[in-house]
Amino acid sequence: EAGVTQSPTHLIKTRGQQVTLRCSPISGHTSVYWYQQALGLGLQFLLWYDEGEERNRGNFPPRFSGRQFPNYSSELNVNALELEDSALYLCASSLRGGQINQPQHFGDGTRLSIL
Amino acid sequence: AQSVAQPEDQVNVAEGNPLTVKCTYSVSGNPYLFWYVQYPNRGLQFLLKYITGDNLVKGSYGFEAEFNKSQTSFHLKKPSALVSDSALYFCAVRGYGSGNTGKLIFGQGTTLQVKP
Repeated sequence: EAGVTQSPTHLIKTRGQQVTLRCSPISGHTSVYWYQQALGLGLQFLLWYDEGEERNRGNFPPRFSGRQFPNYSSELNVNALELEDSALYLCASSLRGGQINQPQHFGDGTRLSIL
Repeated sequence: AQSVAQPEDQVNVAEGNPLTVKCTYSVSGNPYLFWYVQYPNRGLQFLLKYITGDNLVKGSYGFEAEFNKSQTSFHLKKPSALVSDSALYFCAVRGYGSGNTGKLIFGQGTTLQVKP
C-alpha cells in the first residue's frame, strides 16, 4: 500500500514569492491534514480537509490556504512568503471524517527554504 | 485546552537496555493519545495509540506504552533498545473542543540516542 506522497521534496524561494505544495493521501483516506514543523517551534497544525471541505484551520495567517480535490489530494498554498515560513511542511491522511480514534499517517514532507 | 509535555529533550540508553520516553498530557475529557517517531529527513511514523481499554498498549517495532490516568502520563517503552531506534519521538493528543478539531497536538519531541 502506497503511503502519503508529497511533492516537491525541497523548494527554495525568496521573500514575497508564492508556493504550492502537493499531497496525495493513502488510498481510501478522505481526510488530509497539513502541519508545519519549524525549527524551535515544533509541530503546528495548519489545516484539515475532509470530503473536499475545509474543516478546521490552525492559528496561521490567511496567506496560508489550501484545497482538496475530488480525488482527495490536496494543495497547500502560501502567499507573500516570509523568512519565518522556512520549515518542513508535513501532510497526513486518515480515514473518512477524520475519526478521532484513527491515527494520522504522514508523508515525508516538503522542505521549504526562504532566502 | 489540551496539551502534551515531553519533559526530556534527550534520552540516552545503551543497546540492549530498556528504554522509556516520557509524556504527560492535559485534557478535559477522555484522552486520545498517540506516539510517533521521526527519522532524519523523514516524516512522522505512527507507532501506537491509546483510545480506551487496556492501559498497556502494544505497537510497532516492539514498542509499547503505558497509560496512567491518575498521573496523566503515557510513557513509551521498549524492553531492549536497538541502535536503529535512535530517532526523534513525539507524543501527541488529539485535540477536540466543541467537536472534532482534526488536529494533533504534539509535545516538543524527545531525541533518543541508543549507543552500541
